[in-house]
Amino acid sequence: DVKVTQSSRYLVKRTGEKVFLECVQDMDHENMFWYRQDPGLGLRLIYFSYDVKMKEKGDIPEGYSVSREKKERFSLILESASTNQTSMYLCASSRLAGVTDTQYFGPGTRLTVL
Amino acid sequence: DQQVKQNSPSLSVQEGRISILNCDYTNSMFDYFLWYKKYPAEGPTFLISISSIKDKNEDGRFTVFLNKSAKHLSLHIVPSQPGDSAVYFCAARGAGNNRKLIWGLGTSLAVNP
Repeated sequence: DVKVTQSSRYLVKRTGEKVFLECVQDMDHENMFWYRQDPGLGLRLIYFSYDVKMKEKGDIPEGYSVSREKKERFSLILESASTNQTSMYLCASSRLAGVTDTQYFGPGTRLTVL
Repeated sequence: DQQVKQNSPSLSVQEGRISILNCDYTNSMFDYFLWYKKYPAEGPTFLISISSIKDKNEDGRFTVFLNKSAKHLSLHIVPSQPGDSAVYFCAARGAGNNRKLIWGLGTSLAVNP
């Protein structure tokens, strides 16, 4: 079974703090994704990566950055957290390089920014 | 502009009956469709998919139907069980070298005992 893990299930941060969300997958998947989920807005893609050190902007990249130094790990960084970044953050991975394949999700991190 | 639309935000069904969740899309270049289920405080889990070359795919209690001329797909759950209560997301993949999925906003299904 594919396993995608996220570093925290719940996180509370203050406005202006730098926040790191970590995601690790154990199935040697090529592609990794970061989404946020908000009520009534579905899943919105923040960034994705199709290879180590490669990244592409998704639909809502503003206020976020990412890092992929190793194939199994994809980090989402909030440089200066704001209250409107309070959300559920979901990491996903998929197997095939260059092709959208079934995405497997981690359990999510519920981030609250005060 | 939503390219994948799930027009019913919520649906309530009696246990044992059929649940039908609908999804419409606007882009005829989409070539693959997926359904995911999501419980509260968990990540979505893949449920079932269908290629645009097919019109039906079945897996146990779950069947997905695709009507390409109407740009419409539906997920049927028969019989519905209380454990099926979750949010269901429809997603579509663009043709060609496209790494992204396009997601609907989800439909919350409640199966009542």
